Amino acid sequence: AQSVTQPDIHITVSEGASLELRCNYSYGATPYLFWYVQSPGQGLQLLLKYFSGDTLVQGIKGFEAEFKRSQSSFNLRKPSVHWSDAAEYFCAVGVTGANNLFFGTGTRLTVIP
Amino acid sequence: GAVVSQHPSRVICKSGTSVKIECRSLDFQATTMFWYRQFPKQSLMLMATSNEGSKATYEQGVEKDKFLINHASLTLSTLTVTSAHPEDSSFYICSARGSHQYYEQYFGPGTRLTVT
Repeated sequence: AQSVTQPDIHITVSEGASLELRCNYSYGATPYLFWYVQSPGQGLQLLLKYFSGDTLVQGIKGFEAEFKRSQSSFNLRKPSVHWSDAAEYFCAVGVTGANNLFFGTGTRLTVIP
Repeated sequence: GAVVSQHPSRVICKSGTSVKIECRSLDFQATTMFWYRQFPKQSLMLMATSNEGSKATYEQGVEKDKFLINHASLTLSTLTVTSAHPEDSSFYICSARGSHQYYEQYFGPGTRLTVT
């Protein structure tokens, strides 16, 4: 069965520091990969996606993610975090034959001044 | 582009009453819509998937008679929580996908339901 793991429940970084949020998936073939961000009381906003091609994808708000097939990972990165990046981040996977997305449990990002 | 709205954003209802939540795709035709439930500090739980003009497909454990879903047009889906109870209080989020949006879902802002 497909699964998505976000091993870090909560991460705290200082403003201006770099960020990496981890995501691992379990699926036999290459999945379709997404990162979403959710601010408190809000819906989810798509940050970036990977379907095929270049394994380093650029998204909105200065985020990027790298697909590593050998590690079944799709980690999200940002070189310099801003206070407004504090939110919940969800990794999601789409697989062939399934209509829906499979979501990780989320990582809550706190940014300290 | 790809904007999804939900209405209302917050609703409080008395136990035993029904409440309807609307989900609209504003600038694209949503051939598929999804309804999720999210508990505090938890991930999204898929409740059901609906295709325009068809009956919704419910996930295991979701009561179809309690959570009525209608996807009558390519821009509107509704979720009706019938005979609501306090345990139905939650954050409900819809998402939508067009025919050319391969696996990509666009999410509404969510509806906070409180049953008193």
